[in-house]
Amino acid sequence: GAGVSQSPRYKVTKRGQDVALRCDPISGHVSLYWYRQALGQGPEFLTYFNYEAQQDKSGLPNDRFSAERPEGSISTLTIQRTEQRDSAMYRCASSLTGLAGSTDTQYFGPGTRLTVL
Amino acid sequence: SQQGEEDPQALSIQEGENATMNCSYKTSINNLQWYRQNSGRGLVHLILIRSNEREKHSGRLRVTLDTSKKSSSLLITASRAADTASYFCATINNTGKLIFGQGTTLQVKP
Repeated sequence: GAGVSQSPRYKVTKRGQDVALRCDPISGHVSLYWYRQALGQGPEFLTYFNYEAQQDKSGLPNDRFSAERPEGSISTLTIQRTEQRDSAMYRCASSLTGLAGSTDTQYFGPGTRLTVL
Repeated sequence: SQQGEEDPQALSIQEGENATMNCSYKTSINNLQWYRQNSGRGLVHLILIRSNEREKHSGRLRVTLDTSKKSSSLLITASRAADTASYFCATINNTGKLIFGQGTTLQVKP
């Protein structure tokens, strides 16, 4: 594809519901990253994958958050029992090789705006 | 938590003027990157400077890096209204994840 795509672009849900956010990285990109961005702030790292392996999930705020990338391509970020404080823009990025400390550019998707009522 | 701090938080200039934004960080880095975010759009990578580089140019952009002071600056010359956006610096260390600053909001008035 031409770039990283994310769906849905907007998601409004009620507190307590589960949500699944999808990321489709650039074809052939090894690494995939999830970030969360609050209004007026820079993105904050959540987790990342090399191929299907979750390499780092240190940024996930609690055990309601999980992510998977079962076939090393599309990834899903799942938030269970959503709370109002989960409202934010969730951004996905991919990079070609993802070697530790690499200079690969991370290409970002348009994000999913999550609103929890 | 965010590592970078950007200064100023907001900047308003006239078209044609230069805009300078600064970024400070706390830990050792492999490289530092600058991103732009337009209203309603995604993050776009602008330029990357490696830790062993001191200055880099790309079109109207000039980035400097001072690892002794743990700081970087982004200069946009001859600004245009289309440069209106939020600008973020981001550092990357051996783990490969980007650590973003809080950003500078730039408004360029026509």
